[in-house]
Amino acid sequence: EPEVTQTPSHQVTQMGQEVILRCVPISNHLYFYWYRQILGQKVEFLVSFYNNEISEKSEIFDDQFSVERPDGSNFTLKIRSTKLEDSAMYFCASSAGGPGSPLHFGNGTRLTVT
Amino acid sequence: GQQVMQIPQYQHVQEGEDFTTYCNSSTTLSNIQWYKQRPGGHPVFLIQLVKSGEVKKQKRLTFQFGEAKKNSSLHITATQTTDVGTYFCATSYDKVIFGPGTSLSVIP
Repeated sequence: EPEVTQTPSHQVTQMGQEVILRCVPISNHLYFYWYRQILGQKVEFLVSFYNNEISEKSEIFDDQFSVERPDGSNFTLKIRSTKLEDSAMYFCASSAGGPGSPLHFGNGTRLTVT
Repeated sequence: GQQVMQIPQYQHVQEGEDFTTYCNSSTTLSNIQWYKQRPGGHPVFLIQLVKSGEVKKQKRLTFQFGEAKKNSSLHITATQTTDVGTYFCATSYDKVIFGPGTSLSVIP
């Protein structure tokens, strides 16, 4: 069964550093998402991306965050200047259709900001 | 925007007992999706309900969507240790928003 893959599985960075989280969505999916989950808490929507542009974003997704689909297969989330409170599990997801379609999640990247 | 709440937050059951989690909204929902997240894992899509009063079954799992489309439930019959995890309801309009989840532990 096709999978969403994410790299790295764990990223440790110092406060103020930039990080890039990478995702390869399922190949025939058109909609891409980033969610984050602080340990033991709810799965929070960050951003959705369709047709090479952001379609929705949450209040969490401020100017420090950006997304890109640089080469037609990868989908990246960049955090420009990490803060301690950015420590979380970041999940990439993709879907074949729009928001009403099931989301397929990757295994996540655990980001630890020290 | 659309938001959903879930109760209970935690549930501990003996293996073989039934389990139910409830998802509620103050507004009419266009749909409900249910996901399961095993400890240390990622959310996995279980099912989507769209119609008022809809009931769907997957083996020991029964999903319902309320008549007013403001609530939903997931019922597991005769829980097994493999059912351990957090069950999230989610709803979508312009984006998929997750409820806070119900964490199920099963005591063998």
